[in-house]
Amino acid sequence: DVKVTQSSRYLVKRTGEKVFLECVQDMDHENMFWYRQDPGLGLRLIYFSYDVKMKEKGDIPEGYSVSREKKERFSLILESASTNQTSMYLCASSPIGQGSDEQYFGPGTRLTVT
Amino acid sequence: SQQGEEDPQALSIQEGENATMNCSYKTSINNLQWYRQNSGRGLVHLILIRSNEREKHSGRLRVTLDTSKKSSSLLITASRAADTASYFCATGGHSGTYKYIFGTGTRLKVLA
Repeated sequence: DVKVTQSSRYLVKRTGEKVFLECVQDMDHENMFWYRQDPGLGLRLIYFSYDVKMKEKGDIPEGYSVSREKKERFSLILESASTNQTSMYLCASSPIGQGSDEQYFGPGTRLTVT
Repeated sequence: SQQGEEDPQALSIQEGENATMNCSYKTSINNLQWYRQNSGRGLVHLILIRSNEREKHSGRLRVTLDTSKKSSSLLITASRAADTASYFCATGGHSGTYKYIFGTGTRLKVLA
């Protein structure tokens, strides 16, 4: 079974802190994604990566950056956390292909910025 | 921007009844997928239907796709309390991109 793990289930950070969210998948998937989920807004794509060191902006990349140095690991970075970044963050992976295969999700990280 | 819109936003039914959720989208797609999310957890893939398919079954799940109307429906038959969750549709293959676009979800509550 595919396993996608995220470094923390719950995280509390202060405004202005630099925050790292880590995601690791164990199925050698090429594609990895970061979403945020907010009530009434569904899942919104922040960034995705289709290969090591490759990344593309999603719909809401402002205030975020990503890093993919190894195929199995995709990190989301909040350079200077703000209260409007309080949200549930979901990482996902999928095998090679352009939106043609299912995504496998991690359990999510609920981030609170105070 | 959100493409998928689920309808209804919330649904409450008795155990044993069928639950139907609908999803509409705006642009051409390669496939449409349905996911389930239990409270506070990650999403779990349920079923994928490709743009050249009209209907697909998986256990108690039945998905239809009408590309002319840009809509899909998910039917859960003989619902159980364990089916209580939020259900999301996601569309993929937009203009050859890697993106999936998720809807806002339907919250299903199955009463025992």
